Amino acid sequence: EAGVAQSPRYKIIEKRQSVAFWCNPISGHATLYWYQQILGQGPKLLIQFQNNGVVDDSQLPKDRFSAERLKGVDSTLKIQPAKLEDSAVYLCASGVAGANNEQFFGPGTRLTVL
Amino acid sequence: GENVEQHPSTLSVQEGDSAVIKCTYSDSASNYFPWYKQELGKRPQLIIDIRSNVGEKKDQRIAVTLNKTAKHFSLHITETQPEDSAVYFCAASKGSARQLTFGSGTQLTVLP
Repeated sequence: EAGVAQSPRYKIIEKRQSVAFWCNPISGHATLYWYQQILGQGPKLLIQFQNNGVVDDSQLPKDRFSAERLKGVDSTLKIQPAKLEDSAVYLCASGVAGANNEQFFGPGTRLTVL
Repeated sequence: GENVEQHPSTLSVQEGDSAVIKCTYSDSASNYFPWYKQELGKRPQLIIDIRSNVGEKKDQRIAVTLNKTAKHFSLHITETQPEDSAVYFCAASKGSARQLTFGSGTQLTVLP
């Protein structure tokens, strides 16, 4: 079974620039999550999708972050404009909806904002 | 919202010894507690999980215990090996949405 795919793996930008990350979940997984993992910390949930609908985006800084999951499969996360404190690894995870779902993580995108 | 505290932040053990990592959670409604292992530069991977209707679960050298009354759960690794060296994260969630709240992580180093 193919795992969660993410691209790019690394991105370096200057502050105030824009950046976008892409995630392709495991086939058949209805639930998709985006996490932000700052160095030395645990992942923090940014947004959760169920198919193409948003379940929870309460921790997403909506003034600069946006995410979409068109057609309920792939997802993109965008930051515009980026700040220094956005430097982190952005992890995408997917799972099967329901009470017993394990979340499978992608390799992440390491973002450095200079 | 849920708050998960994890300690210690770093743990060094001799190969063959046991390691214990502890977490506490704040939301009594949380009912699912996974543990993830993350090697340097790699993705978190689930190593074991436990649900609130179970007090203990074991998988070979790894075990997890849950005390719902005290709202804490622990990871136990026996007969540690150098390849167990990694960062371990506990997490908690509730309901069908399964939104995970992670602890801050424990860097485990197994010394040969």
